[in-house]
Amino acid sequence: GQQVMQIPQYQHVQEGEDFTTYCNSSTTLSNIQWYKQRPGGHPVFLIQLVKSGEVKKQKRLTFQFGEAKKNSSLHITATQTTDVGTYFCAGDAGNMLTFGGGTRLMVKP
Amino acid sequence: DAGVIQSPRHEVTEMGQEVTLRCKPISGHNSLFWYRQTMMRGLELLIYFNNNVPIDDSGMPEDRFSAKMPNASFSTLKIQPSEPRDSAVYFCASSLMRPPGELFFGEGSRLTVL
Repeated sequence: GQQVMQIPQYQHVQEGEDFTTYCNSSTTLSNIQWYKQRPGGHPVFLIQLVKSGEVKKQKRLTFQFGEAKKNSSLHITATQTTDVGTYFCAGDAGNMLTFGGGTRLMVKP
Repeated sequence: DAGVIQSPRHEVTEMGQEVTLRCKPISGHNSLFWYRQTMMRGLELLIYFNNNVPIDDSGMPEDRFSAKMPNASFSTLKIQPSEPRDSAVYFCASSLMRPPGELFFGEGSRLTVL
């Protein structure tokens, strides 16, 4: 079945440093979604990418969808303590979303 | 809109007992999903419904787990009998589209089986 892998599993950064998490699918995706889960909270939708090579920005967050539509990345510029949480990608291979294992981001003030 | 509503938020029970988790999706959403989250296995899709019909239950661990959606505004996930390894956070999510667009998650039900 479809597998979605995310790396790294954990990332500690100093406040102000950049952060990137990568997502790779075993199959070509029709779209990919990103979610953020704060500690003790529930996943909250951030964005959906649909087109090959698509790049979208939300303030300090930049999302990319690979040309082959099998990988994606989320980059945060100048992290803040409010960015703490686990970031999940979720790949849609046509009928169902498969979540990656998530990257837990910890930010030291 | 109230969002996806789950109950109970916390449940502590003893091994062998029946557990019923409840979910009210966002009004107008036609897809409903049950996920289980643990440290070891991450977010696992257990089952999803479209227009109240179960579409894929391949993620349901075993016969001890069952899910129903008797109408568009209510779903249950039942575990009978419960076991300690069922301890997890169970999330319900709903979506407007199929295949899913944005998933709206409830706050989750944290289950502890002693």
